[in-house]
Amino acid sequence: QSVLTQPPSVSGAPGQRVTISCTGSSSNIGAGYDVHWYQQLPGTAPKLLIYDNTNRPSGVPDRFSGSQSGTSASLAITGLQAEDEADYYCQSYDSSLSGSRVFGGGTKLTVL
Amino acid sequence: EVQLVESGGGLVQPGRSLRLSCSTSGFTFTDHAMSWVRQAPGKGLEWVGFIRSKAYGGTTEYAASVRGRFTLSRDDSQSVAYLQMNSLRTEDTAVYYCTRDRLKRSCGGSKCYSSDYWGQGTLVTVSS
Repeated sequence: QSVLTQPPSVSGAPGQRVTISCTGSSSNIGAGYDVHWYQQLPGTAPKLLIYDNTNRPSGVPDRFSGSQSGTSASLAITGLQAEDEADYYCQSYDSSLSGSRVFGGGTKLTVL
Repeated sequence: EVQLVESGGGLVQPGRSLRLSCSTSGFTFTDHAMSWVRQAPGKGLEWVGFIRSKAYGGTTEYAASVRGRFTLSRDDSQSVAYLQMNSLRTEDTAVYYCTRDRLKRSCGGSKCYSSDYWGQGTLVTVSS
């Protein structure tokens, strides 16, 4: 059981918009700690997609956006493309775990 | 170009030790904390621990699952980070990724880091 809860899978057709939720608690997201998102394409290492809740590293398309509210965060992908098919992970900090960083369980995005 | 290359993985028996290395280039190593993240076969990501830069004391923090068994260190002269793994268990079997940490500006403490570059990973298999 991950400290941060993500849906195991989401799907969408090319061109559509999908969102991936990341639900935490008062000891992590709800405490105001930043949420970061990582994309892991099949057979590759993860890559930073969104940092500090809403910021995109250089080179990440603006089709990807992040938001945070209360004890949850969301990753939105608009104009879905076949190459977006990947696993997505949220990550934050949890004050109840002796200062650990925590990941969500991951969400598999399928482009139909 | 930022590059992180892990090495040292392999097959090891339960209870034995293994040391992973992360050789880096393309950035000022001394400016960054370094983390390790692992991924068991077919599973999600698990943060293992990180080591701060010398400017922030070079101190370490670990996930509860490895605390007391794993040790992080760094050689700033060689731009290499290490993960010493002792008393290995079958549940430590995973791909181990080395990551460069990004420190949020005007933020203090462990909560302020994210992993902005990742290596390709090295597989550690713990089995008899």
